[in-house]
Amino acid sequence: DTAVSQTPKYLVTQMGNDKSIKCEQNLGHDTMYWYKQDSKKFLKIMFSYNNKELIINETVPNRFSPKSPDKAHLNLHINSLELGDSAVYFCASSQTGGDHQPQHFGDGTRLSIL
Amino acid sequence: DQQVKQNSPSLSVQEGRISILNCDYTNSMFDYFLWYKKYPAEGPTFLISISSIKDKNEDGRFTVFLNKSAKHLSLHIVPSQPGDSAVYFCAANSNTGKLIFGQGTTLQVKP
Repeated sequence: DTAVSQTPKYLVTQMGNDKSIKCEQNLGHDTMYWYKQDSKKFLKIMFSYNNKELIINETVPNRFSPKSPDKAHLNLHINSLELGDSAVYFCASSQTGGDHQPQHFGDGTRLSIL
Repeated sequence: DQQVKQNSPSLSVQEGRISILNCDYTNSMFDYFLWYKKYPAEGPTFLISISSIKDKNEDGRFTVFLNKSAKHLSLHIVPSQPGDSAVYFCAANSNTGKLIFGQGTTLQVKP
């Protein structure tokens, strides 16, 4: 009965490859997010979708492309992976986007680029 | 430009005592503040929040205090328990949906 689930939990791959991370929430929330936690442990927002519509797009390289097939899913595709992409990526969801509802996080995907 | 700062990377307290975790912010547009708790290999878990129109919010052993003039908030845990040992993140929101996080404080509660 996991609320926000991400797959895979660990991802080790070579530089230059393309990879995807999947996220699903069963909370019935309208808004989903992707965060990146870098080596300094800062959690920074990358993208946010509300009912499949992109509402937040931070300064993220074009190699990162989120896709929301429905409001319960938000996937992250990364092209041409670089060493600096190594991080933990967290998916989150909330009831609404801007109404001060707490965000619920998945357990993260640890991406390591060799 | 770090808008939310947690200047203490770590804190160690004895079981049963009070834990006080601090957080400072710079953006006066922030109007909602949250604390998250994170165990290793898990995602952050929402703990408690406070709106900028309040100066205190309490939930069981957890109390958050907000001092808007000082742009400072703190989380008090009393009594502290070993299970409270985790990384605590302060976060702020300006109604944009964008949560701005601090870098976290690792709390260790010793039995």
